[in-house]
Amino acid sequence: ETGVTQSPTHLIKTRGQQVTLRCSSQSGHNTVSWYQQALGQGPQFIFQYYREEENGRGNFPPRFSGLQFPNYSSELNVNALELDDSALYLCASRSDRDRDTQYFGPGTRLTVL
Amino acid sequence: AQTVTQSQPEMSVQEAETVTLSCTYDTSESDYYLFWYKQPPSRQMILVIRQEAYKQQNATENRFSVNFQKAAKSFSLKISDSQLGDAAMYFCAYRSALRGGSNYKLTFGKGTLLTVNP
Repeated sequence: ETGVTQSPTHLIKTRGQQVTLRCSSQSGHNTVSWYQQALGQGPQFIFQYYREEENGRGNFPPRFSGLQFPNYSSELNVNALELDDSALYLCASRSDRDRDTQYFGPGTRLTVL
Repeated sequence: AQTVTQSQPEMSVQEAETVTLSCTYDTSESDYYLFWYKQPPSRQMILVIRQEAYKQQNATENRFSVNFQKAAKSFSLKISDSQLGDAAMYFCAYRSALRGGSNYKLTFGKGTLLTVNP
C-alpha cells in the first residue's frame, strides 16, 4: 500500500459532461501529479501541483484543471468530456524530503459514452 | 522531448526462471533517472527499482536487477527466480534530474505484460 487513495473507483459519464476525480495523499506530501493512462498505453503526465499551485503541465488542454488543498487532498476536473477522455486517471504524490519517490494511487477508471 | 520505448508488448516466463524486459530511451540530457514500475491488476503503480544515470553501478533490489547501458540508452530489467506474484504490467519510465515544475514528471513506455506460468 502506498497510502494514496483515489475516489471513485469507476465512473461513467456522457460526452459533454463535467467530472471531478479525487485523490488523498499521505500527510506531508506537498506535491501531487496527475496522469492519464489510456487503454494499452503508459501513463501520460497531465499536471503537477505544489503547495496548492500548479507548477507544471503536460500536453493537455485547459479543460483539464485541478485543485490541491491544505489537507493533502486534490482534485482533477475535466470539462466538456470527450470520448477520448476515457482512461484510467492516476494521481501520484511525493514529499519534499524524498523528491525522487512518487507514490501512486490505484486510479479512477473513467468511461465516457 | 524524451521518449521511452518498450519493444516487447508481452513476455512469459516459467515460475522460478529468469526473464529480462527491455527498454530503450532517447534524451539529450546527461543526468536523469530511470525507473521500472509494476502495475498489477489492482492498478496501483508500484516502484520496482530506480537507477541514477550518473551511477555506473547497476541497481539491484532482491530478485530484481537492471542492466543500464548509458551510451546505448538501454535499461533492461532482469527478474530472477520468477514468482506468480510477479505477473503484472511492467513500465519503464524516465525522469529528468533537473529540478522544478514539469521536470519531475515521469515519461513512461507503453509497458510489457509479464505472465508467469506455474
